[in-house]
Amino acid sequence: AQSVTQPDIHITVSEGASLELRCNYSYGATPYLFWYVQSPGQGLQLLLKYFSGDTLVQGIKGFEAEFKRSQSSFNLRKPSVHWSDAAEYFCAVGGDSSYKLIFGSGTRLLVRP
Amino acid sequence: DAGVIQSPRHEVTEMGQEVTLRCKPISGHNSLFWYRQTMMRGLELLIYFNNNVPIDDSGMPEDRFSAKMPNASFSTLKIQPSEPRDSAVYFCASSEGLYNEQFFGPGTRLTVL
Repeated sequence: AQSVTQPDIHITVSEGASLELRCNYSYGATPYLFWYVQSPGQGLQLLLKYFSGDTLVQGIKGFEAEFKRSQSSFNLRKPSVHWSDAAEYFCAVGGDSSYKLIFGSGTRLLVRP
Repeated sequence: DAGVIQSPRHEVTEMGQEVTLRCKPISGHNSLFWYRQTMMRGLELLIYFNNNVPIDDSGMPEDRFSAKMPNASFSTLKIQPSEPRDSAVYFCASSEGLYNEQFFGPGTRLTVL
């Protein structure tokens, strides 16, 4: 079955600290992987995506993610978190056989001053 | 570019009433998606269209829900009759097609009393 697991419902970090949000997927074909961010009252905005090639992808707002096929993971990282990064983050997987994206349940990031 | 436009942004209605949500995708995008987001169930894909044709409506919860895309620049999601459990945020998203990122609208927050 196709699925995305984000094991952390909430994560709290101090401003300036590093961040890693976990994402594991199950997908029967070559996965296309995405990270989206949702600020309160807003729609989802794409942070970055992986289709092929270099397994370390750079995104907007200083985020990066690394695709690890052996671990079925696509974790999101940021070296230094800013208070404006507080939001909900969604990992999603799609593939070349479907237009659909399967979203994880999201991780809410809280940033301590 | 105006992005994906949804209207209304907020809708409050009484149980049994008909509700129509509207979406204008980004010009040139040929895929359109309707999602529902709730605390309990997260982000769920309801239906998606490609070139104005419904491709997969397996996520539509009941016959009370219907969606149309009469042309490339407009889609509606209708609930008739509405029920309190339909209360959620409904998102529309569009993309250029397969493999491409989905751009989300700001959402419509629906409250059914």
